[in-house]
Amino acid sequence: GDSVTQMEGPVTLSEEAFLTINCTYTATGYPSLFWYVQYPGEGLQLLLKATKADDKGSNKGFEATYRKETTSFHLEKGSVQVSDSAVYFCALGSGTETSGSRLTFGEGTQLTVNP
Amino acid sequence: DGGITQSPKYLFRKEGQNVTLSCEQNLNHDAMYWYRQDPGQGLRLIYYSQIVNDFQKGDIAEGYSVSREKKESFPLTVTSAQKNPTAFYLCASSIGAGNTGELFFGEGSRLTVL
Repeated sequence: GDSVTQMEGPVTLSEEAFLTINCTYTATGYPSLFWYVQYPGEGLQLLLKATKADDKGSNKGFEATYRKETTSFHLEKGSVQVSDSAVYFCALGSGTETSGSRLTFGEGTQLTVNP
Repeated sequence: DGGITQSPKYLFRKEGQNVTLSCEQNLNHDAMYWYRQDPGQGLRLIYYSQIVNDFQKGDIAEGYSVSREKKESFPLTVTSAQKNPTAFYLCASSIGAGNTGELFFGEGSRLTVL
C-alpha cells in the first residue's frame, strides 16, 4: 500500500537558517504530493502541493519539488522565521472514484525556530 | 466565512461511555473525513464519506461509528469498544470523489478518557 516517510524530528533551528525536511513515498501509479502545516492547537492547513513529476510547489517561501526518480518531495525554505514553528506533514494522495481524496500522511516533523 | 466547525474542542469521558463529536461544513463539499492524530504517529483515517447516506471504513474504524444524513454534517461516535480513545480528532472535507486535491480541516476535538 501507499506510505510516506518523513525525517525524524524534532528539528530546532535559529532564525534565518536554511530548512530541509525530507519526505519519501511509496505508491503505485502517479500520486499527488502535499505538505500540510499544523500550528499549535489547530487543524492542518495546506502549505503547498504538486500533482505530477518535476512540478514545484511553493508558498510563503517554502518549496518542494516532486522527484519521481527518487520518490521524494523534500520541503525547503531559505530563511526560517520564529512564526514558522509548527508541525509539518508530508502527504500523498492517490484518489480514485472509490477512494476520493483520502490522503496518506507521514508522521509529522516538529519544527522549532528560536530567535 | 466558509469552513469546518468541530465541537466540542475539549471533551472528557469516563470509561464505558459513548461520546459523539460534531463536524459541520458550509463549503458545499461532497466528501468528508475523520482522522485520528496521536503523538509521533501522524494522522490515521477512521471513516470517510463521499456522498450523503454513504460512508466507508478507513484504516482504524474499529470502535467508531459515523452517519451522513446531511451533506453538511458528519458526526463521529467513539464507542466504549474503542480500546484507546484518548486522542486528537480531526474532521476534514474535500470537493468530491476522485479528487486528489486539497483537504480542508477543522480545528480538532481533543478527547480524554478518565
